[in-house]
Amino acid sequence: DAGVTQSPTHLIKTRGQHVTLRCSPISGHKSVSWYQQVLGQGPQFIFQYYEKEERGRGNFPDRFSARQFPNYSSELNVNALLLGDSALYLCASSSRDREAFFGQGTRLTVV
Amino acid sequence: AQSVTQPDIHITVSEGASLELRCNYSYGATPYLFWYVQSPGQGLQLLLKYFSGDTLVQGIKGFEAEFKRSQSSFNLRKPSVHWSDAAEYFCAVGAESGGNYQLIWGAGTKLIIKP
Repeated sequence: DAGVTQSPTHLIKTRGQHVTLRCSPISGHKSVSWYQQVLGQGPQFIFQYYEKEERGRGNFPDRFSARQFPNYSSELNVNALLLGDSALYLCASSSRDREAFFGQGTRLTVV
Repeated sequence: AQSVTQPDIHITVSEGASLELRCNYSYGATPYLFWYVQSPGQGLQLLLKYFSGDTLVQGIKGFEAEFKRSQSSFNLRKPSVHWSDAAEYFCAVGAESGGNYQLIWGAGTKLIIKP
């Protein structure tokens, strides 16, 4: 069975640009969460979606948005990129038992 | 406020020696507790989890962890480390509030293995 897949794996963007990151959860998992991991730190919660509805939002500015599609895949969008948005963006999928399975992440570099 | 503390930023152990990585949490209810491992540039792999029941839990790759409610701790142990265990280890608490569920993470402990 395929695990959580994220695309792209690496991305370089310029300040002020917009970026879209994509995530496909494990088959049968209806919950997708997004985390930001800055180099040298633990991940920080951005969003959780369950059954296409936003269930939780972390302490991130409105430049960050997300959505979940009918097939439970998800997109994370970031507008007006700042240098500080450079990080590893992790997607996790889970079923009802709260165990989160992570993808390999998207490494975003803002220059 | 909910938080997770991993007091050791780096730990160096010799190959074959025992290992204990510390994790303390602050959470009002009975927590869901996790240990994940991350190799450089990679995602996070679940080592083990505690939801309820036996407070000593076994995980993959020979790791175990013990939940101690009185100490708010969930320390990770391995009796004999291998060079392939060199990685960064993260402790996390699953926190639920008003239908919102998220993982709250420690800052990580980088494990260095001496040959």
